[in-house]
Amino acid sequence: DVVMTQSPLSLPVTLGQPASISCRSSQSLVYSDGNTYLNWFQQRPGQSPRRLIYKVSNRDSGVPDRFSGSGSGTDFTLKISRVEAEDIGVYYCMQGTYWPRTFGQGTKLEIK
Amino acid sequence: EVLLVESGGGLVQPGGSLRLSCAASGFTFSSYSMNWVRQAPGKGLEWISYINSGSRTIYYADSVRGRFTISRDNAKNSLYLQMNSLRAEDSAVYYCTRDYYIFDLWGQGTLVTVPS
Repeated sequence: DVVMTQSPLSLPVTLGQPASISCRSSQSLVYSDGNTYLNWFQQRPGQSPRRLIYKVSNRDSGVPDRFSGSGSGTDFTLKISRVEAEDIGVYYCMQGTYWPRTFGQGTKLEIK
Repeated sequence: EVLLVESGGGLVQPGGSLRLSCAASGFTFSSYSMNWVRQAPGKGLEWISYINSGSRTIYYADSVRGRFTISRDNAKNSLYLQMNSLRAEDSAVYYCTRDYYIFDLWGQGTLVTVPS
């Protein structure tokens, strides 16, 4: 199975400051069709997960533009340009290139 | 409104069975592949099963293969997960998810508890 490794696992951030989460895969996530199926999800406390980013850098509808995704191959990053209080929660990366689909361990974003 | 609503969770004894349902609305259910993803209490997310739109392609995680069966009824806009031989480690919130570029839409989840 492809192992997804996130860092850090805990991320204390000051409101208004940037935040960055790294995700590394144990194999390249480039699929045979040329796409890279790396998604990011946000799970706020007590809520279901919500997809933020698909195929590395495509923001879902309704996702604020302070969220951005980047990366290639095995190294990926989710960035929040200015953290707001509503961003508190756990963030997961996930690969959809291989079966089984696998998630990272999750990064807990909290306010300092 | 585009919606997925899971039901069927509950408390079941080890070795028992449970059938989860997911009702879809607000979109053309028959056009989408679907998945089940679970989350044990206080833990991360685990994909467990996939079914394509026509039920011809099905995948399972190793942790549930041979015990769980995914199915769908496009006429009823519904997704199902038959869970047999349940174990304590199957205790989790079970989410159904739509598969537009993978997990674009999630339900609210249904809790399954299997005591140890």
